[in-house]
Amino acid sequence: QQQVKQSPQSLIVQKGGISIINCAYENTAFDYFPWYQQFPGKGPALLIAIRPDVSEKKEGRFTISFNKSAKQFSLHIMDSQPGDSATYFCAASYNQGGKLIFGQGTELSVKP
Amino acid sequence: NAGVMQNPRHLVRRRGQEARLRCSPMKGHSHVYWYRQLPEEGLKFMVYLQKENIIDESGMPKERFSAEFPKEGPSILRIQQVVRGDSAAYFCASSPGAGGFHEQYFGPGTRLTVT
Repeated sequence: QQQVKQSPQSLIVQKGGISIINCAYENTAFDYFPWYQQFPGKGPALLIAIRPDVSEKKEGRFTISFNKSAKQFSLHIMDSQPGDSATYFCAASYNQGGKLIFGQGTELSVKP
Repeated sequence: NAGVMQNPRHLVRRRGQEARLRCSPMKGHSHVYWYRQLPEEGLKFMVYLQKENIIDESGMPKERFSAEFPKEGPSILRIQQVVRGDSAAYFCASSPGAGGFHEQYFGPGTRLTVT
């Protein structure tokens, strides 16, 4: 019940294309769903986050879509660029400030 | 505003030695979290602390690992009698607490190698 399942494990997209990464969860107590971007040798950087009372949130080229009934959420990266090549992690938490439970990560490679 | 700071960035220890990892949260942040990232794996929660209090240590191994966040100074993650399986990247994150509980900002990590 504490798991967050992320797919795909790896993703190759052409420059200018749309990258889509999906996550699913079981625990309906989760109330915060962030996405993190991590470059090799660096710490995860908070990219964008959503709460379950909203179905979509957009920040620049990054959009989170949230489906509460299906217990799924996804990250869309529009106009993907080679500089977006990194590992992306979805996560979930509850209890106002509790631990983050991470998905397994998706290694994104954007080809020029 | 300086981000989360961790030191050392790289730490090499021999089996049986002690490792001490330090984390200074972002200015104004009073909540600290420690996560571990094993090679080719995701991030796993270890412990959540506020000043002088451990809030949640459900992810900490029962033996050899301890954490503190004193009233003054950085948070410390301590690993006694390290073994090769402790080799990993250890990340600290901080959040502001009230008004921004959920947002956790990560430091650059400490990469521990046990030889």
